[in-house]
Formats: sequence, structure tokens, C-alpha cells
Amino acid sequence: NAGVTQTPKFQVLKTGQSMTLQCAQDMNHNSMYWYRQDPGMGLRLIYYSASEGTTDKGEVPNGYNVSRLNKREFSLRLESAAPSQTSVYFCASSDPPPLTYNSPLHFGNGTRLTVT
Amino acid sequence: AQTVTQSQPEMSVQEAETVTLSCTYDTSENNYYLFWYKQPPSRQMILVIRQEAYKQQNATENRFSVNFQKAAKSFSLKISDSQLGDTAMYFCALKTSYDKVIFGPGTSLSVIP
Repeated sequence: NAGVTQTPKFQVLKTGQSMTLQCAQDMNHNSMYWYRQDPGMGLRLIYYSASEGTTDKGEVPNGYNVSRLNKREFSLRLESAAPSQTSVYFCASSDPPPLTYNSPLHFGNGTRLTVT
Repeated sequence: AQTVTQSQPEMSVQEAETVTLSCTYDTSENNYYLFWYKQPPSRQMILVIRQEAYKQQNATENRFSVNFQKAAKSFSLKISDSQLGDTAMYFCALKTSYDKVIFGPGTSLSVIP
């Protein structure tokens, strides 16, 4: 059982380059999330998707776009990377109804992104 | 808007002792859920304990328990009989309607042998 799979694990970009972080879950979860983790700031929500076909902004959406391709996949795109986007990115998902509201998040292993 | 605050960036505790990590939050919703997650150096996020806001009884999971004060919007985590494996970052999280989940900035806990 793979759980939540993120690719790639590491990435180095130059300023202005674009890239897409991929996330897939095999637990039939409705909700999926993208967070970034920076020292001293915890995990900050970038975007989330409460169900297939819907996406909502989180706390720090600027500079990012997302696509909920289907129930399994939720991708995060950086159109023009900036050094301020250097971070560790986590994808997560949560259990399906009727447990969704009180169920915990299941996390991927993270992607370490460096923008030079 | 929802917020989660953890006022202790770093804490340390002697092995076998008890430590309490603080968390306060703000939300205008009446139904919500609170969680504590642990992140060891491996970077993996691990659920420690959860609490439903409508339940007055504090949640307990083995050596981990919470003190949930709804009126004060406080949700502290108590770790009893601390072990070396408890050394990690600890994050408090708030889950509100539409499945939005917000985290606090974290507390770095070191267990000293």
C-alpha cells in the first residue's frame, strides 16, 4: 500500500524556470492538500481540494497553481520559480466520508525544492 | 480566518519526565477538530492525537494526552514518561469546515538522556 506518493524527491531550479510537483494517493481519499514547510514557520497551506473538481486557496497561494486531475492526483505548478519558493513541499490527503471531517492527514515524504 | 499559535519554539525535557507543549487557536466555527502531529528528523509526519471540539472529554493515547479548553481556545499536549524517541518537531493543527487544515509554527522538543 503506497499511501501518498510525491515526485520528485529533490529538485533544483533556476529563477524563472517552471516545474510541476506531482502527488498521487491510492487510499480513495476525497481531500488533498499542498503545504510548504520553512524553518520556524511550520507547514503553511498553499492550496487544497475538498473533492474532485474543486480547489481552494490556502494561506500562501501566490506564485502557485494546482490541478486536481482526478480523485487520485493533485499537482502543484510553479510557473516562474523565485528564490522565495525554496522550501520543502508536502502533499497530503484525508479519509473519505463519513470520516472526512475528523480524520487525520496522510502525508507524502516531501519534495525539497531549491531555487537559485 | 483561522489561526494556530505555538508560543514555545523550543523545549527540552529529561528522559522519563513529563512535558507540556502549548497551542492556542482561533476560529469562528463551532464544529472543528484539533490534532497534534510529530515530525522526527526523518521528516515524516506522524499523527500523535486528535480531539473533536464537541467532546468535552480530553483525548488520551498511551503516554500522550491533551488538555482541551474550548472557551480559552487552548489545546496543549502532555507527554508523560518522555523517551528519546519523542525528540521531534511537534505541530498543532486545526481542521475546520470544507476540510481546510491549518498548522501552527511548531515546537522543537529535545529529550535529554
